[in-house]
Amino acid sequence: AQSVTQPDIHITVSEGASLELRCNYSYGATPYLFWYVQSPGQGLQLLLKYFSGDTLVQGIKGFEAEFKRSQSSFNLRKPSVHWSDAAEYFCAVGISSGGSYIPTFGRGTSLIVHP
Amino acid sequence: ETGVTQSPTHLIKTRGQQVTLRCSSQSGHNTVSWYQQALGQGPQFIFQYYREEENGRGNFPPRFSGLQFPNYSSELNVNALELDDSALYLCASSLEREGLEHFGDGTRLSIL
Repeated sequence: AQSVTQPDIHITVSEGASLELRCNYSYGATPYLFWYVQSPGQGLQLLLKYFSGDTLVQGIKGFEAEFKRSQSSFNLRKPSVHWSDAAEYFCAVGISSGGSYIPTFGRGTSLIVHP
Repeated sequence: ETGVTQSPTHLIKTRGQQVTLRCSSQSGHNTVSWYQQALGQGPQFIFQYYREEENGRGNFPPRFSGLQFPNYSSELNVNALELDDSALYLCASSLEREGLEHFGDGTRLSIL
């Protein structure tokens, strides 16, 4: 079974600083890869996804992520964080097998932004 | 374009009761997934329905069941509620099975 690890439970950055959120997955092949953001009391919003092709993907709100097959990683980055980016971030992988689709989410990283 | 809507937004039940949660998928989407998100955790996949058929199931007992209707809306039914079923239940729809999922704001279920 696939698994997703987000090693940082909390990350604190200053507004304007750069950000990198880590995500590692365990699966024999390349899965579909996603990053979502969740504000308190709300559902998840898709930031970006990787299905195939260029390993550096651009998303909404100035986020990008890089797929590194050798490291089984899909880290999320942003060059300059805004206070409104404070939220919970989830990495997810999706596996398609025998016609069924099984997604797995990490436990999330809480981003705190200091003024 | 109407997004994913879930009802009710909040629900309180007692142990042993049954509950039905509802989800209207985004216009044109034929796939619906349901997730359970416990406090402080990531969403856990319950199951997915694609064109009214179950298309994948996570590690949840049979008392968690679902339906998808011809208009692609969906229901999640949970029987014999347990305290650990207290969570935010999220519905997500997509155009195809491995597509980009759009989430609703969830139903907060509390079990007393």
